[in-house]
Amino acid sequence: QAGLTQPPSVSKGLRQTATLTCTANSDNVGNQGVAWLQLHQGHPPKLLSYRNNNRPSGISERLSASRSGNTASLTITGLQPEDEADYYCSAWDSSLSAWVFGGGTKLTVL
Amino acid sequence: QVQLQESGPGLVKPSETLSLTCTVSGGSINNYYWSWIRQPPGEGLQWVGYIHYSGNTNYNPSLRSRVTMSVDTSKNQFSLKLSSVTAADTAVYYCARHDSGDYSLDYWGQGTLVTVSS
Repeated sequence: QAGLTQPPSVSKGLRQTATLTCTANSDNVGNQGVAWLQLHQGHPPKLLSYRNNNRPSGISERLSASRSGNTASLTITGLQPEDEADYYCSAWDSSLSAWVFGGGTKLTVL
Repeated sequence: QVQLQESGPGLVKPSETLSLTCTVSGGSINNYYWSWIRQPPGEGLQWVGYIHYSGNTNYNPSLRSRVTMSVDTSKNQFSLKLSSVTAADTAVYYCARHDSGDYSLDYWGQGTLVTVSS
């Protein structure tokens, strides 16, 4: 039912690379691009990427986003303890006329 | 640097109306869309709705019958009212700004926990 589907959890080792995915469930989702947000417990969400693959100023170059068809991806290289957080993708659903979020992926850095 | 700050009661009784205000500083409320998003305990993010500085609104279909948003450009504020609340409305409520280009949510408030309980 959700417009965007994310795996609930991903675990990777320190200094490894993690790739988080986000699949749009219809062609009506994400026509203006997919954005990624990071949530640390007790802190507000932080925008990591917008319009599929653009990184706001101040965001680490270790983070990169891409999109192929209905699947968007966020890749984080050289994983650090501070990368452990919840990651959400988001986009506009034109059929619902609503902004939608994926269910979120909890990234654990081992 | 644009900053957003939510304010309002942290405790609301069931069946009453939740009211929150978001104050924008470091930038103008004009020319942007502004949203409310919430996160129930242990759950993901849910978009509540947005308001344009002109007053144009759009609400999440699942909440539309209970949501009202308003904007006061003279105070650089926008507000949320959610009526007939239940325990399911307990959540951290965030206000956020939509980027003027691609509408991604680029600036967020710190969030405020609203608990619905008698």
